[in-house]
Amino acid sequence: GIQVEQSPPDLILQEGANSTLRCNFSDSVNNLQWFHQNPWGQLINLFYIPSGTKQNGRLSATTVATERYSLLYISSSQTTDSGVYFCAVEPYNTDKLIFGTGTRLQVFP
Amino acid sequence: DAGVTQSPTHLIKTRGQQVTLRCSPISGHKSVSWYQQVLGQGPQFIFQYYEKEERGRGNFPDRFSARQFPNYSSELNVNALLLGDSALYLCASSLGATGTYEQYFGPGTRLTVT
Repeated sequence: GIQVEQSPPDLILQEGANSTLRCNFSDSVNNLQWFHQNPWGQLINLFYIPSGTKQNGRLSATTVATERYSLLYISSSQTTDSGVYFCAVEPYNTDKLIFGTGTRLQVFP
Repeated sequence: DAGVTQSPTHLIKTRGQQVTLRCSPISGHKSVSWYQQVLGQGPQFIFQYYEKEERGRGNFPDRFSARQFPNYSSELNVNALLLGDSALYLCASSLGATGTYEQYFGPGTRLTVT
């Protein structure tokens, strides 16, 4: 089956720093989403981005479907950005999301 | 508008017991999916239902079953609970059944099996 790898696995930042999270997937996909999981377990939708670039405030994402990767950019990080970031892909002809390994982000004041 | 809701929030069960978890999708969403997330890992797909029919099933034993009701809400049942079933169970809803629709997740039910 399709493999979804995220890097780095852990990231520690000081407030105000910028970061780039990467998601690599091993086969073509129909859908790609980025989520932020807060300490209480809630998965918060960040981007629905099967291809192209999107921006939402301090966050932006780019998916290059032909090269099978996606990037999530966080600028001017805040302590509230802490948590685990997941990318999830939906392969063609399936109805399920396959989640990556996650990046645990800790932002300190 | 209300998001995806799940009940109960927390649950403690004993090995061998049965459990039923409930999910209400976002209004207008006809697809519901269930995921299991054990500590330290990403969510794993269990089931997807669309228009009350099972559309997909993950690699889980037959002890796991689900159904979707005419109002599109859903239940996940797990029989003969094992310690390894302890996890966060997440429900997601989307407008349709294919990958062209964004999935939205509920807050989850945290199940502990002792």
